[in-house]
Amino acid sequence: GAGVSQTPSNKVTEKGKYVELRCDPISGHTALYWYRQSLGQGPEFLIYFQGTGAADDSGLPNDRFFAVRPEGSVSTLKIQRTERGDSAVYLCASSSGTSNSPLHFGNGTRLTVT
Amino acid sequence: DQQVKQNSPSLSVQEGRISILNCDYTNSMFDYFLWYKKYPAEGPTFLISISSIKDKNEDGRFTVFLNKSAKHLSLHIVPSQPGDSAVYFCAASGTSGTYKYIFGTGTRLKVLA
Repeated sequence: GAGVSQTPSNKVTEKGKYVELRCDPISGHTALYWYRQSLGQGPEFLIYFQGTGAADDSGLPNDRFFAVRPEGSVSTLKIQRTERGDSAVYLCASSSGTSNSPLHFGNGTRLTVT
Repeated sequence: DQQVKQNSPSLSVQEGRISILNCDYTNSMFDYFLWYKKYPAEGPTFLISISSIKDKNEDGRFTVFLNKSAKHLSLHIVPSQPGDSAVYFCAASGTSGTYKYIFGTGTRLKVLA
């Protein structure tokens, strides 16, 4: 079946602009995660949804970052007033949400803020 | 603070030999561990996992060993193949659920033909 889909695959934006990154999880997966990966680092947790609600948003770096999942499927990560330090690969993952179920990642969106 | 550490940024192994990738963790509440493989321009792909009630899990050429007292796990790949060349991440989660996996910084494995 289809895996996790992320769009766009690449996004270049100017400092100060607003961006939206989209994630379409595996059908039927109730849990959805956003991670951020900078060069030479491992994926860094941002936020986790169980269904429509954000169960844990403790990884969001500041209030410029926000994510929604209004119908419990597709999710959008929104970044306001982008800064050059936001440049990274943003990874989305989904899982069945049952105990000890592995995450299935998309290919990520590479965000470059110029 | 880095709760999951992969202290070797890179490793080179001859084709056919064993590759051993190591991972250490500091949080004793972690009870589920996973290994992921990542190729360039792709997302991480799940390889193998282990629960803290076990000390070994095997899947084909891949075996993960867990030493809870040392807070250490390792991934063994044998025999190594050129297609195994990738970055490998270990990840851990705690007893509170399967969310918020914490990842290490990765080890780049190069298998030489």
